[in-house]
Amino acid sequence: EADIYQTPRYLVIGTGKKITLECSQTMGHDKMYWYQQDPGMELHLIHYSYGVNSTEKGDLSSESTVSRIRTEHFPLTLESARPSHTSQYLCASSEYSDTEAFFGQGTRLTVV
Amino acid sequence: GEDVEQSLFLSVREGDSSVINCTYTDSSSTYLYWYKQEPGAGLQLLTYIFSNMDMKQDQRLTVLLNKKDKHLSLRIADTQTGDSAIYFCAEGSVSGGYNKLIFGAGTRLAVHP
Repeated sequence: EADIYQTPRYLVIGTGKKITLECSQTMGHDKMYWYQQDPGMELHLIHYSYGVNSTEKGDLSSESTVSRIRTEHFPLTLESARPSHTSQYLCASSEYSDTEAFFGQGTRLTVV
Repeated sequence: GEDVEQSLFLSVREGDSSVINCTYTDSSSTYLYWYKQEPGAGLQLLTYIFSNMDMKQDQRLTVLLNKKDKHLSLRIADTQTGDSAIYFCAEGSVSGGYNKLIFGAGTRLAVHP
């Protein structure tokens, strides 16, 4: 079983609020990723990290930001949430660049 | 750019075989993956195939890869109700040092008695 955790599982929040989605893994993986998934749609990479102090933008433009101060922790922050940010956010990690990615259970975000 | 396409729905009877198809565009893909997503859960890797293989079998799962046509399929033998889920095809390549996974939109498999 994969040891990657996301909190919260569900979040409903008002427009303009600042939110942080947490993602932690206990596998010691250097590579971590954030994907955004709208219902019935494919996953889109929005952020990734090679390791501590490394963060890069993914293929899909996102107003969110990420940080990687510790290997095991890769939080995603939205400074001012908007209804257009409503989506599911999936965090993943992998040991190497070309090996299996392990996914968390996701955070379903609704901005009202 | 890279693209992965799958049919959106598949309905099969319990005990029959299910075949989920996928086409991709990036010929430099090193690995191709099948992930399963159950309701309210994250993605779980089912199986993967290296791009220089034609076939991989793992218990009830058979993956076929036609690299010339860029076509990938997942066959589930003796499909059970517990197999009902969304199945995502993904192509993986190493780009800039990270595992770039391009996902399809997922095929929703419904298994009925």
